[in-house]
Amino acid sequence: AQSVTQLDSQVPVFEEAPVELRCNYSSSVSVYLFWYVQYPNQGLQLLLKYLSGSTLVKGINGFEAEFNKSQTSFHLRKPSVHISDTAEYFCAVGTGRRALTFGSGTRLQVQP
Amino acid sequence: NAGVTQTPKFQVLKTGQSMTLQCAQDMNHNSMYWYRQDPGMGLRLIYYSASEGTTDKGEVPNGYNVSRLNKREFSLRLESAAPSQTSVYFCASSVGPGNGYTFGSGTRLTVV
Repeated sequence: AQSVTQLDSQVPVFEEAPVELRCNYSSSVSVYLFWYVQYPNQGLQLLLKYLSGSTLVKGINGFEAEFNKSQTSFHLRKPSVHISDTAEYFCAVGTGRRALTFGSGTRLQVQP
Repeated sequence: NAGVTQTPKFQVLKTGQSMTLQCAQDMNHNSMYWYRQDPGMGLRLIYYSASEGTTDKGEVPNGYNVSRLNKREFSLRLESAAPSQTSVYFCASSVGPGNGYTFGSGTRLTVV
């Protein structure tokens, strides 16, 4: 079975500060990992994905994530956030041909 | 290029009524999915279709049925709506496992 835990339900941060959104997964086999962003009243958009290879993955809007197999983590980072980054962020894990399992989400609140 | 189109965007049902949520994609994707989103619970998989002609249950299939009408369309039916089915429903599609999903904009369903 696969599962994913997002450790923070809300993360408040000031504009231009760095941010890290945490994600841990559980699986007994090789995984592929995703981060999605959801702006208010919209669907989810893909930020970045890890399938294999380099453990540091760069995505859109200046976000990046690092796959850590030993710690079963895939934390999302951005060195300097903007007001427009205010949204809900979802981590997701997939294995083999199974559908993705999503975490419960982290609401990023960027304050001026 | 519309991507994934869901109809309707909003719906209010009375307990016991039935309805079908429609989803269509124009990206020639093989796999399609139905998730529901509830506050604090992230996205939970209802049903998915790995390829045309196949459907499988997800995490929360009770009270729902699906039809993969053709490669483009994947509908979700509520036979007898219950207040517990009040949620936002998202349809998604993908080329296949290991690939990111493209999401529709969602259907906000309220059952009273």
